[in-house]
Amino acid sequence: GAGVSQSPSNKVTEKGKDVELRCDPISGHTALYWYRQSLGQGLEFLIYFQGNSAPDKSGLPSDRFSAERTGGSVSTLTIQRTQQEDSAVYLCASSFSGLARNNEQFFGPGTRLTVL
Amino acid sequence: AQKITQTQPGMFVQEKEAVTLDCTYDTSDQSYGLFWYKQPSSGEMIFLIYQGSYDEQNATEGRYSLNFQKARKSANLVISASQLGDSAMYFCAMREVGNQFYFGTGTSLTVIP
Repeated sequence: GAGVSQSPSNKVTEKGKDVELRCDPISGHTALYWYRQSLGQGLEFLIYFQGNSAPDKSGLPSDRFSAERTGGSVSTLTIQRTQQEDSAVYLCASSFSGLARNNEQFFGPGTRLTVL
Repeated sequence: AQKITQTQPGMFVQEKEAVTLDCTYDTSDQSYGLFWYKQPSSGEMIFLIYQGSYDEQNATEGRYSLNFQKARKSANLVISASQLGDSAMYFCAMREVGNQFYFGTGTSLTVIP
């Protein structure tokens, strides 16, 4: 597809379970970003990738959160031992690198995670 | 210090009027980019407009314009001739050389018929 895709679109899980969220960026985009957005709130930065490496992991809330990116393309965000406060929409975005004009982020539709 | 500050949690504007959404930023980089995104109730993030730090003219995209005041580190979004469909959350963002994006907390705009 032409845009950023994320799967699943919705995930309901029980407290304590692990979840994996997937992001397929736009082909050719070297930068990939994960954000978390709670209801009615702004975007909380989690992590970003340049290629397969993550120069900035500062936003990951705890060691229960991890992310990887393989082949400079697909990324997976894993949340272990989920807690109710993890409930949010997880947004993925991708972009070309650099400050060239209009290297904006393109966002996926998000994964709505609900932890019961 | 916050990288992006949006001081207006909520704004109201009459249909067909213009509205300005405030954004200030903090960076020590000389090269950076400023962006505005719109997020309607459907949740999608829609890119609106971009301003580069070296651009001398204010960016414009249709009814959107960016009032860029570099010395004040402000990048306000101006929406002219507001429409009901403009009701949404608006986020200001900055990209620095290291590719990191920083987002503000957003402004909720409501257009009144």
